[in-house]
Amino acid sequence: EVQLVESGGGLVQPGGSLRLSCAASGFTFSSYSMNWVRQAPGKGLECVSYISSSSSTIYYADSVKGRFTISRDNAKNSLYLQMNSLRDEDTAVYYCARNPYSSGWYELDYWGQGTLVTVSS
Amino acid sequence: EIVLTQSPGTLSLSPGERATLSCRASQSVSSSYLAWYQQKPGQAPRLLIYGASSRATGIPDRFSGSGSGTDFTLTISRLEPEDFAVYYCQQYGNSPRTFGQGTKVEIK
Repeated sequence: EVQLVESGGGLVQPGGSLRLSCAASGFTFSSYSMNWVRQAPGKGLECVSYISSSSSTIYYADSVKGRFTISRDNAKNSLYLQMNSLRDEDTAVYYCARNPYSSGWYELDYWGQGTLVTVSS
Repeated sequence: EIVLTQSPGTLSLSPGERATLSCRASQSVSSSYLAWYQQKPGQAPRLLIYGASSRATGIPDRFSGSGSGTDFTLTISRLEPEDFAVYYCQQYGNSPRTFGQGTKVEIK
């Protein structure tokens, strides 16, 4: 069974940093591209970042470019999102989500349960 | 950026009724790279449909997707109690990938 479990969320002050993790199991993690998708309270969904299976291709939404860094450790079956210079508008539930292939833009076939990031003073 | 507009915002129906949800794109979606997701309160989204019309693994056949170009539809043939939720469309043919704002299907 495919499982994605996020951790690392919490309350942080504006300008602060946070590192999210996503532990994957039930599939060959190194064969799939991965994503971070966020959802602000009561709002819709936004694709924040993407990384191909080999980390050769990385994408960031304009809203986080220069502040967030996505990475993965295939030996540890883990995905990460380093978030710096956090702003109030980064407050959201952050989901880890899988693409069904190693690279390219595709649908998101499995999602984690999400971790809440709250940016507030 | 492709903007996806979903309508209606809220659909009030009874169990057993047919639900028709619309997703309109501001420009043509490449290769019908359009997906539909279901989200229940406090849960992560779940993939229902990809490639505009292909059902994801384990999705009941009462869910169907259709459309191409700029106009797409999700149809739930007979609503079951567990189908009342918010539904999002997403295009993944163009960068950035974008989602619609969602349609809430509520019990009438």
